[in-house]
Amino acid sequence: ILNVEQSPQSLHVQEGDSTNFTCSFPSSNFYALHWYRWETAKSPEALFVMTLNGDEKKKGRISATLNTKEGYSYLYIKGSQPEDSATYLCAPLWGGKLIFGQGTELSVKP
Amino acid sequence: GAGVSQTPSNKVTEKGKYVELRCDPISGHTALYWYRQSLGQGPEFLIYFQGTGAADDSGLPNDRFFAVRPEGSVSTLKIQRTERGDSAVYLCASSYSGGPGTQYFGPGTRLTVL
Repeated sequence: ILNVEQSPQSLHVQEGDSTNFTCSFPSSNFYALHWYRWETAKSPEALFVMTLNGDEKKKGRISATLNTKEGYSYLYIKGSQPEDSATYLCAPLWGGKLIFGQGTELSVKP
Repeated sequence: GAGVSQTPSNKVTEKGKYVELRCDPISGHTALYWYRQSLGQGPEFLIYFQGTGAADDSGLPNDRFFAVRPEGSVSTLKIQRTERGDSAVYLCASSYSGGPGTQYFGPGTRLTVL
């Protein structure tokens, strides 16, 4: 069974703070890593699909990096806003299916 | 265009009853996935369809769970003799052709078994 760990489990920051969280996964047989943002009562929203070691992707104030050799990915949010409050999920693709971590719950206070 | 839709959004049932959960994928997407999320955990894979056939059903917890996709579009997840432990959010996702491409998720069905 693939073990995907996300840390921290929850994070409370003030508006304007920058923050980052970690996703760790087994480095063997790596194929792709997905990041999602999931707001309560909404559909999980795809943020990034990352495939190459050293990959860096950016979407507005959110960016992500990938290290496939050591098995981790970082997600960064610059200047957090209240609308960034959500659960952030990472999921390596393994055998055609996504294996999700337990998520990092971010709360941004105005 | 229209995203993935799921019905019902909420379902409350009694232990032992049968339930059906429906997923309408994005038009033209050949791959369809079911996941479920229990409280405090990340979504857990259940089954993956490529077209009409189940390419991987290794995540179905037991034979009370069954899913179909008869015409390669809409899918139905069926749960027989529901148990309290089946209570979860059931998520459906579709992608254009499977593989590493983005999986687009629906809003989920929250199933509560009393």
